[in-house]
Amino acid sequence: DIQMTQSPSSLSASVGDRVTVTCRASQTINTYLNWYQQKPGKAPKPLIYAASSLQNGVPSRFSGSGSGTDFTLTISSLQPEDFATYYCQQSYSTPYSFGQGTKLEIK
Amino acid sequence: QVQLQESGPGLVKPSQTLSLTCTVSGGSITNGSYYWGWIRQPAGKGLEWIGHIYTSGGTKYNPSLKSRVSISRDTSKNEFSLKLTSVTAADTAVYYCARCMMWIGWFDPWGQGTLVTVSS
Repeated sequence: DIQMTQSPSSLSASVGDRVTVTCRASQTINTYLNWYQQKPGKAPKPLIYAASSLQNGVPSRFSGSGSGTDFTLTISSLQPEDFATYYCQQSYSTPYSFGQGTKLEIK
Repeated sequence: QVQLQESGPGLVKPSQTLSLTCTVSGGSITNGSYYWGWIRQPAGKGLEWIGHIYTSGGTKYNPSLKSRVSISRDTSKNEFSLKLTSVTAADTAVYYCARCMMWIGWFDPWGQGTLVTVSS
């Protein structure tokens, strides 16, 4: 099974900051890496698929990059609505697996 | 646009079977470009893929649950279902159904989720 490890587990930042979340796979997954945003009490919201493709309607301040085993999610200028938990997910092989999440909090 | 809605009992007794249904609107579950899956999330914890059903009716399950889980579908009702047998408190979680895009393996959209508590 492929293990996904996100870092950091939590992050404090201010509105306007640029933030980066990292996701590492335990083996190569090419670009089969997806990102989701989750707010309390809500279902995960798809953000980015195939490592770098932005879901329709997702603001351009979000971007994804990487291939192989190392991936990043970047928010170029944090907005108040971006404070949430972010999950990566590998879809290279089943069982699909998610990272443990990165909680982005207001500083 | 496609929408998914989970339904089923919110409380299940230990050792019994958890049964949930996901009703899909705005699109057919026999569409060849998608799988239809279940994911769960214990309170305060991360996401766990449970399994999915293909448009052919074939299934794929998480080995950690494989002996206890089954996913089926009713194409006449455009819905698919999850059964998890011999539940324990560790199965208490919010259960989500979601559409999974073929070849990409990306879950979009998701249902709103339903909390299932395992307790006597």
